[in-house]
Amino acid sequence: QQQVKQSPQSLIVQKGGISIINCAYENTAFDYFPWYQQFPGKGPALLIAIRPDVSEKKEGRFTISFNKSAKQFSLHIMDSQPGDSATYFCAASKGYKLSFGAGTTVTVRA
Amino acid sequence: GAGVSQSPSNKVTEKGKDVELRCDPISGHTALYWYRQSLGQGLEFLIYFQGNSAPDKSGLPSDRFSAERTGGSVSTLTIQRTQQEDSAVYLCASSLGRDSPLHFGNGTRLTVT
Repeated sequence: QQQVKQSPQSLIVQKGGISIINCAYENTAFDYFPWYQQFPGKGPALLIAIRPDVSEKKEGRFTISFNKSAKQFSLHIMDSQPGDSATYFCAASKGYKLSFGAGTTVTVRA
Repeated sequence: GAGVSQSPSNKVTEKGKDVELRCDPISGHTALYWYRQSLGQGLEFLIYFQGNSAPDKSGLPSDRFSAERTGGSVSTLTIQRTQQEDSAVYLCASSLGRDSPLHFGNGTRLTVT
């Protein structure tokens, strides 16, 4: 069964807009929540990650919001650019085994 | 090398044949993972190697799948008697250790006809 549920499956945003991707998890033992970005034909690359002791982490235009009580976390991409068009995966782990969401394909229209 | 290297990048095989997929991790990375990515699906964990410890094989979907890691470096994923449902992208990743970020290769796209 999928331990991390991700939505939406895809989204289209205008250049300069905000992209929001949501993930929910069940296993309260998870203590590491990374987001990966994948371009066609390439492997996923770590974008940003958070631990549950903080509610938000920002790196440039990318922000993770984390709600421990709701067991949810989300990725916000501010001022979206065409170069951000990619598939984004959320993940969660306790230890070494990452459980991934199904992915969100983001398309940024110029 | 600069990153995780996987070969071949593409493999087309007939149903029933055996295939071997190779992964060269980043030098110095002690942890190595194999994941499978099917169309429209997330990444499915297959197997984890850490140093000289016994591998975690809990994600291998059947006994047709096996993997080994020689000398703590290169790894080979073998699929015997391939089936059409084995068609997917097989991704290898390495990391400095169990709590370190994963660095993925570009994958091997396997097509079973």
